[in-house]
This record gives sequence, C-alpha cells and structure tokens, in this order.
Amino acid sequence: AQSVTQPDIHITVSEGASLELRCNYSYGATPYLFWYVQSPGQGLQLLLKYFSGDTLVQGIKGFEAEFKRSQSSFNLRKPSVHWSDAAEYFCAVGSNYQLIWGAGTKLIIKP
Amino acid sequence: EAGVAQSPRYKIIEKRQSVAFWCNPISGHATLYWYQQILGQGPKLLIQFQNNGVVDDSQLPKDRFSAERLKGVDSTLKIQPAKLEDSAVYLCASSLPSGGTWGGANVLTFGAGSRLTVL
Repeated sequence: AQSVTQPDIHITVSEGASLELRCNYSYGATPYLFWYVQSPGQGLQLLLKYFSGDTLVQGIKGFEAEFKRSQSSFNLRKPSVHWSDAAEYFCAVGSNYQLIWGAGTKLIIKP
Repeated sequence: EAGVAQSPRYKIIEKRQSVAFWCNPISGHATLYWYQQILGQGPKLLIQFQNNGVVDDSQLPKDRFSAERLKGVDSTLKIQPAKLEDSAVYLCASSLPSGGTWGGANVLTFGAGSRLTVL
C-alpha cells in the first residue's frame, strides 16, 4: 500500500541555521510529490511540487526539495531559516486520483 | 484572486448535536475536497467532488457525515449526530483538474479551516 513517512514529529532549529525535513514514500510508480506548509490557525499552502524533470525543485519562501528515486525520498531544505518559518510541514504523494499525506513535522525556531 | 472561504471558523457543540460547515471554492475550480485533520495528524480525505458529482467518498462515515455540492460551486459538510472523536479541523480545498487521468497531480488551495470541538 502507498504510504508517506515523515520520521520527525518535530524539529527545533536556531534562527539562521539550515534546515532539512525528511520525507520517505512507498509507491510503485513515479509519484507526484508535494510539500505543503501550515502556519498556526491557517490552511495548508503549497511550497513546491515535483512531477518530472530536474530532481531539485525550487519553491516559495526560499525552500527547495530534492527527489531521490533510489532512496524514495523527497526531503525539504532551506539554507537559513527565519522565525516566520515556524509552522507544520506536510509531505504528500499523488497517487491514483488522490493525495496521500504524511503526519507532518512541526518546525520550532529558537531565537 | 479570492481564496477558499470557509465558515464558521470555530464551533463548539455537545455530542449528539449536529453541525454544518460551508465552503466556497476558488472561482473556476471544478474539484472540491473536504478533509478532516485531527490534532497531530495529516489531513484525511473525507470526500472529493468533481463539479457536483462525487469522485471519492470512501472514507466518509456515511452514518453521520453527509456532504453536498449543489450547482457545482459551494459545498456543505454536515455531521449528525456528532461524537467526541469528531473534534478536528475540517479543511476545504479546491483545485483545477490536472488533466489526463492523474488526479493525484492536482495542486490544492486550502481554506483556513473550521475547528470543531465536541464536548
């Protein structure tokens, strides 16, 4: 069965430090891959997506993600986090007419 | 463009009462989704509409939940009677069809959600 795993329930990072959020998936074919962000009290907003082509994709707010087929991963990165990046981040895989969602990783920013 | 509108933002009810949530999608978005998001979990799809037809309602607890999308625009999600475990945020999202057969490629725009507390 298809699944998405975000191994880290929460991550704490100092402001200005780099960030990597992990996402692993299980899917038989080439997936459509997404990262969404949910700020407190808000709905989810698309950060970036991968459908095909260059495996390093750029998104909004300075985020990027890299698709690694051999590792079934789609990790999200940012070189320098800002306090406004504190939010919950969800990885999702597009599969057969629907999205399969990870459980999310909560990002906490230390001043 | 205007975003996805949802109301009410917050609702507190007692178990066995009923509640209804309303969603107005982005103009022109044919596909509308209702998700349930329990604290600490990812969104769970309850129902997906394409225009005013149901594409997927396999995870909708049909004994107590119902949803409709009259005229292919606004949608209402109803819970009757509510249980304690229905406490969650109900998210509405909409999208353009992605084309082809892969609905999984749809990019969703979400509303701010309706937070339900069942006491």
